[in-house]
Amino acid sequence: DAKTTQPNSMESNEEEPVHLPCNHSTISGTDYIHWYRQLPSQGPEYVIHGLTSNVNNRMASLAIAEDRKSSTLILHRATLRDAAVYYCILRSRSQGGSEKLVFGKGTKLTVNP
Amino acid sequence: GAVVSQHPSRVICKSGTSVKIECRSLDFQATTMFWYRQFPKQSLMLMATSNEGSKATYEQGVEKDKFLINHASLTLSTLTVTSAHPEDSSFYICSASIWTTETQYFGPGTRLLVL
Repeated sequence: DAKTTQPNSMESNEEEPVHLPCNHSTISGTDYIHWYRQLPSQGPEYVIHGLTSNVNNRMASLAIAEDRKSSTLILHRATLRDAAVYYCILRSRSQGGSEKLVFGKGTKLTVNP
Repeated sequence: GAVVSQHPSRVICKSGTSVKIECRSLDFQATTMFWYRQFPKQSLMLMATSNEGSKATYEQGVEKDKFLINHASLTLSTLTVTSAHPEDSSFYICSASIWTTETQYFGPGTRLLVL
């Protein structure tokens, strides 16, 4: 499985933007970049995913480097409810929904009031 | 969005007993379901992948005779921890997906404590 590297932790202030980086230098052409987050004592929650182009949804934006070796998850205005562990995961698109997710350690985001 | 439920949310059992955890996709039919385990302050570890009507595929190091997985329908998968021991105490999480989409939908998790 292609690996990702994320900082162990990051801090942000409420209502400020947050940029969560992820390095994936061994990404292959068939890998999607997925982001999930896990709030304390809950199952993970899908945030966003992309392949080559930047993506936006109601939760966040995903900026993908031109060489695809890194990406950044952007929370435009952090709230206290965004405090969670954020996981950046590469997933091969070859098998669609049957492809497993391999979780790394993720980035623990703390949001200060 | 798609909803996945798990039951029970938490369970306490005696050592040596078996515990069954249910995972249901409430508003969609899941072609594939996954079972994860998470120990305190650690990341999720995939235990097995199951497709409806076929045997589960277990990850290396996961005992298939101890962790029995049944995926009898497109909306229900069960994980049975047989002869549970204190070291099996963990947070068990399931997820479900449809083969045509890229997203996995996770359940809220089941916290198992074996005394």
